Amino acid sequence: GESVGLHLPTLSVQEGDNSIINCAYSNSASDYFIWYKQESGKGPQFIIDIRSNMDKRQGQRVTVLLNKTVKHLSLQIAATQPGDSAVYFCAENIDSNYQLIWGAGTKLIIKP
Amino acid sequence: DVKVTQSSRYLVKRTGEKVFLECVQDMDHENMFWYRQDPGLGLRLIYFSYDVKMKEKGDIPEGYSVSREKKERFSLILESASTNQTSMYLCASSDSGRGGTDTQYFGPGTRLTVL
Repeated sequence: GESVGLHLPTLSVQEGDNSIINCAYSNSASDYFIWYKQESGKGPQFIIDIRSNMDKRQGQRVTVLLNKTVKHLSLQIAATQPGDSAVYFCAENIDSNYQLIWGAGTKLIIKP
Repeated sequence: DVKVTQSSRYLVKRTGEKVFLECVQDMDHENMFWYRQDPGLGLRLIYFSYDVKMKEKGDIPEGYSVSREKKERFSLILESASTNQTSMYLCASSDSGRGGTDTQYFGPGTRLTVL
């Protein structure tokens, strides 16, 4: 019979606009958070990280915001470009444990 | 440039076959990881290794084993492949002993289909 897969959340953004990708994390004890980008046919690639003693961290065209009160993480991409099309994963870590806890991912589509 | 390579991009095997997935990193990293990636489920850790000949179970080790005889190479073994092991397999490596807070560098993945 036909198998039904789980569908990724998708965000469509106009080229040049800002993108905001959200992530709700699971464990209030998590103290380190990471965003990865996975382009089609490639493995995930590190974008930016943030520790729990910070609320905001900026990189090149990307900003990560952390709200520990509501256990929410967001990735903001400024002036979105076609090369930003990818699946974006958030991941959390507790006490430098070797295991990362990964989110399901959000697919970002750039409209020309 | 950082490099993690996986032996195959695509692999088709039959139920019951023994399958070897190889991963090599050239960064002299201590830590290596095997994940499987399924749509909507994110990445799930199968096994990891923080040193040569050391291995630790991840979240879903059942049906898999690993081998790390050399620092640069981490192999994933499916002892008897089953159709529910059809998936994308990703290998990663990271430096030093800071566990999950070290950036993980990923290979391109192996898409395994078990018929």
